[in-house]
Amino acid sequence: QVQLVQSGAEVKKPGSSVKVSCKASGGTFSSYAISWVRQAPGQGLEWMGGIIPIFGTANYAQKFQGRVTITADESTSTAYMELSSLRSEDTAVYYCARFGFGARFDPWGQGTLVTVSS
Amino acid sequence: QSALTQPASVSGSPGQSITISCTGTSSDVGSYNLVSWYQQHPGKAPKLMIYEVSKRPSGVSNRFSGSKSGNTASLTISGLQAEDEADYYCCSYAGSRVVFGGGTKLTVL
Repeated sequence: QVQLVQSGAEVKKPGSSVKVSCKASGGTFSSYAISWVRQAPGQGLEWMGGIIPIFGTANYAQKFQGRVTITADESTSTAYMELSSLRSEDTAVYYCARFGFGARFDPWGQGTLVTVSS
Repeated sequence: QSALTQPASVSGSPGQSITISCTGTSSDVGSYNLVSWYQQHPGKAPKLMIYEVSKRPSGVSNRFSGSKSGNTASLTISGLQAEDEADYYCCSYAGSRVVFGGGTKLTVL
């Protein structure tokens, strides 16, 4: 049974960067994809990108190209999402999720609130 | 990259059935049988309810069913219960990307 546990809430200044972690337990971390999805307050879900740790390469939504970096550390079964040049519109809950067979997101992490404010 | 189109809200009485539509394009919903649906209660992470258009994960009630015709997918909930009140999101694989719908708020009257 795969479980994903994310790092805690962050408050950041505009223009800075944030790095959110997602630690997996259960299953074989290297073999499944981890994706990141964000949800701005009162808004819907938005796919940011994902990575398959065994391959090490990530793909990103066009909207975030150049500003987001998704990585994975197989030794600690942890995936990371770093978002740079933060602006107020990046205030959101950021979720990691396993992107598994059948293109399904399951399970999900508990979410990490990132607040961007001066 | 436009989101899939869902109605903003739907409602139904306990015991009734409702259907939520999800309209995409020939590049996403129309090209792949890889549509999934998620239920989200306030303050909680989304939960997978349907994948590959119509398959239910273990533990999900058989009151939830999915279908697809052309560029439009649908989620049907039968025998509505109070605990079904939540936001529902559709999602489609689209080649090298994934796209979500804007979400539908289900109110159980």
